[in-house]
Amino acid sequence: NAGVTQTPKFRILKIGQSMTLQCTQDMNHNYMYWYRQDPGMGLKLIYYSVGAGITDKGEVPNGYNVSRSTTEDFPLRLELAAPSQTSVYFCASSSLPGQGIVEQYFGPGTRLTVT
Amino acid sequence: QKEVEQNSGPLSVPEGAIASLNCTYSDRGSQSFFWYRQYSGKSPELIMSIYSNGDKEDGRFTAQLNKASQYVSLLIRDSQPSDSATYLCAVRFSGTYKYIFGTGTRLKVLA
Repeated sequence: NAGVTQTPKFRILKIGQSMTLQCTQDMNHNYMYWYRQDPGMGLKLIYYSVGAGITDKGEVPNGYNVSRSTTEDFPLRLELAAPSQTSVYFCASSSLPGQGIVEQYFGPGTRLTVT
Repeated sequence: QKEVEQNSGPLSVPEGAIASLNCTYSDRGSQSFFWYRQYSGKSPELIMSIYSNGDKEDGRFTAQLNKASQYVSLLIRDSQPSDSATYLCAVRFSGTYKYIFGTGTRLKVLA
């Protein structure tokens, strides 16, 4: 099991460019999440998904889009990158909440700089 | 708005001492509580989870939950320099699939 994988590890974007951050999990988890972490801060939820075809906004969704066409993949799209989107992005997955305590498994992160 | 609060630290303790980390949350209906350890430049790693009032022990780690007072704490016994990291508290609130994270407490264990 690779767990949760993310690509790329690092990326530098110019203002106004677009890109997609990839996230894949091989644990057959229904729930997937995208977070951003600014320096010295906790994790802020951007979007999450409870299954293929179902997504919902988190705390900080503006400037991002997601899709979930398969159980395994949950890409995050940045349109018109802005310096405020400079951050480290983490993808996470979990099995069904409600079945006891459910842990989130995190990917290694993507460090994005917008200049 | 549901909130999770932690003291950002740094909390400095000598090697071998007990480190005590605290977290408060805003919603009495919260369901599950998690402590993650995050080394600089790495992703969060789960070290403890708890959902019932009281203490839960795992090795050198003890999580304590008091739902009436809306706080959860993490005790690290016999602290080691390798425990130096940022500790994130996370809460899953009832009726949601979302986890809300605190800003983290930076722990320094001094050799």
